Amino acid sequence: GESVGLHLPTLSVQEGDNSIINCAYSNSASDYFIWYKQESGKGPQFIIDIRSNMDKRQGQRVTVLLNKTVKHLSLQIAATQPGDSAVYFCAYNFNKFYFGSGTKLNVKP
Amino acid sequence: GAVVSQHPSWVICKSGTSVKIECRSLDFQATTMFWYRQFPKQSLMLMATSNEGSKATYEQGVEKDKFLINHASLTLSTLTVTSAHPEDSSFYICSLTRDRGFEKLFFGSGTQLSVL
Repeated sequence: GESVGLHLPTLSVQEGDNSIINCAYSNSASDYFIWYKQESGKGPQFIIDIRSNMDKRQGQRVTVLLNKTVKHLSLQIAATQPGDSAVYFCAYNFNKFYFGSGTKLNVKP
Repeated sequence: GAVVSQHPSWVICKSGTSVKIECRSLDFQATTMFWYRQFPKQSLMLMATSNEGSKATYEQGVEKDKFLINHASLTLSTLTVTSAHPEDSSFYICSLTRDRGFEKLFFGSGTQLSVL
């Protein structure tokens, strides 16, 4: 079956540093990926997405990298801020969405 | 502004009672809505896909008689947890997309259900 997983369950970074959150997927037919941010007690918030015909996409302070060869997805956050502290999920969409196990990002002041 | 409105934000109920959660699309007509369940410190688990005007499609292991879904209009889907038990306590989140193609999901704010 399909699965979307994460390498690191928790990540602690210093304010101002860059953060990298990783995600591995198993279904080679996956062609659309999304990163979501979820703060405690709230619904997920869209961050950035990428299609399989791309290997990199940049947003404001965030970059998503896709390596289809090894079925790996990453989210890079530049100059991490305390407001970035949350749980981050990758998700794969093929008629419906499935979510990875999540990585908790702790930003230390 | 918000695209999805979900109510209530939290609810406490006694065992054996039923609880209804509403999910409204505010900006567009949503033919498809999704219901997720999330336990503390865990990921979102898809429960069912709600289709306007037809029966919901449930994921394997989700009891359709336990979690009743009604998608009576293009802007409203409801999830009713029937005869709730403490193990049904969880965070329930609805989401919707403009179509069934490659579109991002918009999420509601979630409902924290606590069954005593």
